Amino acid sequence: DGGITQSPKYLFRKEGQNVTLSCEQNLNHDAMYWYRQDPGQGLRLIYYSQIVNDFQKGDIAEGYSVSREKKESFPLTVTSAQKNPTAFYLCASSIVQSSYEQYFGPGTRLTVT
Amino acid sequence: GNSVTQMEGPVTLSEEAFLTINCTYTATGYPSLFWYVQYPGEGLQLLLKATKADDKGSNKGFEATYRKETTSFHLEKGSVQVSDSAVYFCALNSGAGSYQLTFGKGTKLSVIP
Repeated sequence: DGGITQSPKYLFRKEGQNVTLSCEQNLNHDAMYWYRQDPGQGLRLIYYSQIVNDFQKGDIAEGYSVSREKKESFPLTVTSAQKNPTAFYLCASSIVQSSYEQYFGPGTRLTVT
Repeated sequence: GNSVTQMEGPVTLSEEAFLTINCTYTATGYPSLFWYVQYPGEGLQLLLKATKADDKGSNKGFEATYRKETTSFHLEKGSVQVSDSAVYFCALNSGAGSYQLTFGKGTKLSVIP
């Protein structure tokens, strides 16, 4: 079965710690994306990558970092510089074509206290 | 820039009622339009899409028509079920090199028996 996996489903961290969220896809998609979802605000783009070893900042990249060393993997690190890290994080992938939909993973809910 | 505006929720309907969720957009060029659905605690699933003017997307009894003259992509269903209770997101992809999705803020639908 092809799809996107995100782990873990729930993540708890203390303030001041960096944390890395995993995203893996076996759809052979070139492009991958990270979104943040907060109640009542829809989805906001954090970072995206269209090819291996290249990525671009989205609308709210401050306090986050990513890497794209393999086509299948696009991990997101939430750093201690992110002021409000508690949120639901969604990873997505697609082929590089505007008419093509993005496929989403099940999400990781991060709680920082 | 690109933007998507959808009707604010929450929307509460009785089973078998008619559903309309309004969505209008602002975009350069000729965007592709999407409706996604999110069930509680899960990622987003593509519900339907339309890639050019006057196209009608349909799936699971839901329909939406790409109206370029009114820049709209309203979601409709003739008879909702309790299982349709979810958050619905309208989105666009304008292409133009980035292939990002721009999302509306989502509309929460609750269907009561």
